[in-house]
Amino acid sequence: GENVEQHPSTLSVQEGDSAVIKCTYSDSASNYFPWYKQELGKRPQLIIDIRSNVGEKKDQRIAVTLNKTAKHFSLHITETQPEDSAVYFCAASIQGGGNKLTFGTGTQLKVEL
Amino acid sequence: DSGVTQTPKHLITATGQRVTLRCSPRSGDLSVYWYQQSLDQGLQFLIQYYNGEERAKGNILERFSAQQFPDLHSELNLSSLELGDSALYFCASSVGSGGGNEQFFGPGTRLTVL
Repeated sequence: GENVEQHPSTLSVQEGDSAVIKCTYSDSASNYFPWYKQELGKRPQLIIDIRSNVGEKKDQRIAVTLNKTAKHFSLHITETQPEDSAVYFCAASIQGGGNKLTFGTGTQLKVEL
Repeated sequence: DSGVTQTPKHLITATGQRVTLRCSPRSGDLSVYWYQQSLDQGLQFLIQYYNGEERAKGNILERFSAQQFPDLHSELNLSSLELGDSALYFCASSVGSGGGNEQFFGPGTRLTVL
């Protein structure tokens, strides 16, 4: 089955700096890659997603890039703010056979003042 | 608020017992998913239903079962509970059943098995 690896597990940045989280996936049939933000004790919230026919997608301070050849995708957050502090999960969904999401292990992002 | 509701919010029970978790999807969504989140296993997909039919299955234990009812709400039944079943259980929903459908998560049910 699909396997998603995520790095780093923790990331500490200064307010205003950029943060980058990277994920790799194993199954070339994966075609949908969402990113979720989860605050402590809360539900995962979709912040951005990308499909395999697109190389990059941007939404204000958040961008995601996808390299299908290398089977990796990344989340970029610019001008980080304290409210960006949370755990971020990448995920992948394989085409066909339902819409099961395989999640990475999460990145604890801390934005320091 | 995602529009997905889950009850109860917290559940404390003893080993060997059986519990039922309930989920109501967003209005218009036909797919319901169940995920387990624990410290050592992360977020794990359990099962997906679409319009009452099982659509995909993950590493769901035989002690666990689920169903989706005609009104599209879903229940996850956990039986013969063990300490290791303590976790956050999330329900999510989406409009369609195939890959690429955005999934919206509910607030979760925190299960504690003592």
